[in-house]
Amino acid sequence: DTAVSQTPKYLVTQMGNDKSIKCEQNLGHDTMYWYKQDSKKFLKIMFSYNNKELIINETVPNRFSPKSPDKAHLNLHINSLELGDSAVYFCASSPRGQQGKGYEQYFGPGTRLTVT
Amino acid sequence: AQKVTQAQTEISVVEKEDVTLDCVYETRDTTYYLFWYKQPPSGELVFLIRRNSFDEQNEISGRYSWNFQKSTSSFNFTITASQVVDSAVYFCALSNSGGYQKVTFGTGTKLQVIP
Repeated sequence: DTAVSQTPKYLVTQMGNDKSIKCEQNLGHDTMYWYKQDSKKFLKIMFSYNNKELIINETVPNRFSPKSPDKAHLNLHINSLELGDSAVYFCASSPRGQQGKGYEQYFGPGTRLTVT
Repeated sequence: AQKVTQAQTEISVVEKEDVTLDCVYETRDTTYYLFWYKQPPSGELVFLIRRNSFDEQNEISGRYSWNFQKSTSSFNFTITASQVVDSAVYFCALSNSGGYQKVTFGTGTKLQVIP
């Protein structure tokens, strides 16, 4: 059973296009995240949602827009893609203390986005 | 502000050697959580361990052990008798526990275990 899944796994597109990445978790967690991992492996949090509400919005260009239709799904839409958006994007979920559980995060397999 | 420092960028060891990955953190919170994650060459991020700030007990899981010391703000990770499958990038991370959750990752340590 896949706990956190993302689609697509690979995304190659041209500058200026708009694209979306989808994420779903079946762990029953209330909190989901988007991270960006650059070519140097640096992981940076972009957004966090708790029960469909945005709770973290780091300094990210407003071309990036997350949407959470329900607490099991968190999608990321990117407008007007730029070369610098090329990276691996990870979705994650966390129990964040729910029902006595911990604060660790469980990550999806990642989406490698290449903008040409 | 939170900060996580993994000063070792890359480490190479020969199989069966022991290796320690260092992690030093900074936070003003009194309650916080520390984590280690593994990213093998295949790319996925795997959760290894969580440690709460109020629990300084060290932990051992098979060949893995973790040493949490609040006095030095360190949460080090030791692999005993390393194996080739341990080759990966290892990330240390820090989270507060407040409503506005802040999660900070270190820059990672790439471990290469040579057969």
